[in-house]
Amino acid sequence: AQSVSQHNHHVILSEAASLELGCNYSYGGTVNLFWYVQYPGQHLQLLLKYFSGDPLVKGIKGFEAEFIKSKFSFNLRKPSVQWSDTAEYFCAVNGNGGFKTIFGAGTRLFVKA
Amino acid sequence: DAGITQSPRHKVTETGTPVTLRCHQTENHRYMYWYRQDPGHGLRLIHYSYGVKDTDKGEVSDGYSVSRSKTEDFLLTLESATSSQTSVYFCATGDSYEQYFGPGTRLTVT
Repeated sequence: AQSVSQHNHHVILSEAASLELGCNYSYGGTVNLFWYVQYPGQHLQLLLKYFSGDPLVKGIKGFEAEFIKSKFSFNLRKPSVQWSDTAEYFCAVNGNGGFKTIFGAGTRLFVKA
Repeated sequence: DAGITQSPRHKVTETGTPVTLRCHQTENHRYMYWYRQDPGHGLRLIHYSYGVKDTDKGEVSDGYSVSRSKTEDFLLTLESATSSQTSVYFCATGDSYEQYFGPGTRLTVT
């Protein structure tokens, strides 16, 4: 079955700490991978995406993610978080020419000032 | 962001009543989606549309129906609302693999 697993449901960090959020997927065939972010009270916004090519992708606000095909993973990283990064982060996957996207359960990040 | 609006933004309704949520887009995107967001479940796809009058079921479609008579509008109907349908509903649109989300509708079924 197609699925996305996010390892951490809640993460609390202090400002300037490094961030890594885990994401593993189960999806046969060619995949497209995404991280979306939802700031408090707002709708989801695309943070970054991977379709093909360089497995290290850079997104907005200093975020990056690395696609490791052998591990079926697409982990999100940021070297130094800020208070404004407090949000919920969702990993998502689609592929095989289709547009139905599977979302993970989300990780709530709280950054202490 | 794509021009996506949802109405109403908040609704409280009683069990057993029908409810219709509206999603309107101004981007002329081909694909439109309805998701529900619940704590611990992330976003789950209810129904999606790949063109006018072309719709298909998602993973949690029971108790929901949709219609798309125009490119810009995608309606979600709860035929007889139940308390388990209390949730936040998001509409999304897209022309490629990425999606753009609306502001959401918070629905409470009492």
